[in-house]
Amino acid sequence: KQEVTQIPAALSVPEGENLVLNCSFTDSAIYNLQWFRQDPGKGLTSLLLIQSSQREQTSGRLNASLDKSSGRSTLYIAASQPGDSATYLCAVRDTGRRALTFGSGTRLQVQP
Amino acid sequence: GAGVSQSPSNKVTEKGKDVELRCDPISGHTALYWYRQSLGQGLEFLIYFQGNSAPDKSGLPSDRFSAERTGGSVSTLTIQRTQQEDSAVYLCASSLSGNPTSYEQYFGPGTRLTVT
Repeated sequence: KQEVTQIPAALSVPEGENLVLNCSFTDSAIYNLQWFRQDPGKGLTSLLLIQSSQREQTSGRLNASLDKSSGRSTLYIAASQPGDSATYLCAVRDTGRRALTFGSGTRLQVQP
Repeated sequence: GAGVSQSPSNKVTEKGKDVELRCDPISGHTALYWYRQSLGQGLEFLIYFQGNSAPDKSGLPSDRFSAERTGGSVSTLTIQRTQQEDSAVYLCASSLSGNPTSYEQYFGPGTRLTVT
């Protein structure tokens, strides 16, 4: 059974700092990995989708990498801003399954 | 264009009552998913619909939970005889297809269910 772990569970940084969020998964047989953002009381906003054949994806200040063989992904946020404060969730889609398996998230607080 | 919409946004019900939660997927999306987010359990898959195929119900926690999708669009999640442990945020997502080419899943704002 796939298990997804996110470290750290919570992170507080000053504005402007670059930061890395980590995601690991136990079964490398995946189709893709998706990073989401969730604001308090809101749904999930998709940030980046990396297919299993890809190594990384970039969107603005966000860069996500994928090392499928080692079961790891990182989300890099450059020049963090207070508006980046949210919970970041990593999710994988296993081969042969339709649904996503989610990590428990990293709660990020960017201090102005 | 319009995203995934869900209604109601909040629902408070008494233990033992039935509830219905509604999801309107993005137009043209053939795949629809229900997930549940509860404290201590994180985000869990409940059920998946793809076109006219039989749904994947493997995530439903008990036979009190059921869902249907009419006309390949709107979906309703029904919880019968609600229990306090059913309290959670119920999230709906849709994607262009559920096939292995793996399109992104887009999530609605969720329905917060509280069972008193």
